Amino acid sequence: DTEVTQTPKHLVMGMTNKKSLKCEQHMGHRAMYWYKQKAKKPPELMFVYSYEKLSINESVPSRFSPECPNSSLLNLHLHALQPEDSALYLCASSQDRQYSPLHFGNGTRLTVT
Amino acid sequence: AQKITQTQPGMFVQEKEAVTLDCTYDTSDPSYGLFWYKQPSSGEMIFLIYQGSYDQQNATEGRYSLNFQKARKSANLVISASQLGDSAMYFCAGGSNYKLTFGKGTLLTVNP
Repeated sequence: DTEVTQTPKHLVMGMTNKKSLKCEQHMGHRAMYWYKQKAKKPPELMFVYSYEKLSINESVPSRFSPECPNSSLLNLHLHALQPEDSALYLCASSQDRQYSPLHFGNGTRLTVT
Repeated sequence: AQKITQTQPGMFVQEKEAVTLDCTYDTSDPSYGLFWYKQPSSGEMIFLIYQGSYDQQNATEGRYSLNFQKARKSANLVISASQLGDSAMYFCAGGSNYKLTFGKGTLLTVNP
């Protein structure tokens, strides 16, 4: 069983909806990540949080808004998405050391209609 | 930034045989990490093995070993005694955990 839990597993939303993806880890990791993965492509980094502060934003459109309420939780708020935003969204966590491996959740499969 | 190249879009192997998945990298950083991840069709990315650029020994984790050849800038994954459950997409990644660069992946199919 994965130690990084993502909810929901599947999400279908319209372009005018507001929804949130949630991620939780209890491994004591202080770095958390959001990745986006299109079908048959590698994951692409979106955001990195270190000690609950946003440290990397890979020029992600503002319709994606991350939030890290505490060291165990990471949210991704979605608003006014486009059909091309449909993808698998992966959350990951790691120790806050330079070469610590990332531990990923099962992902949320998002479909924007 | 690191560049990761996986030249095998797909690989087939018979159950119980060994298979090597290729990965080459290009970086000017003196220090870096190399990782392999497995992604089954369910979607989860599973960490398999890590090699540090200054590590003298090749990394091993159970049936997984990493054939690290620094001069050739290669970090190939060797899976011994393949099992049906090894069928998945395999990604090589490099850099630091804050800025991982992934290769395009190799789809491994294990045949009974």
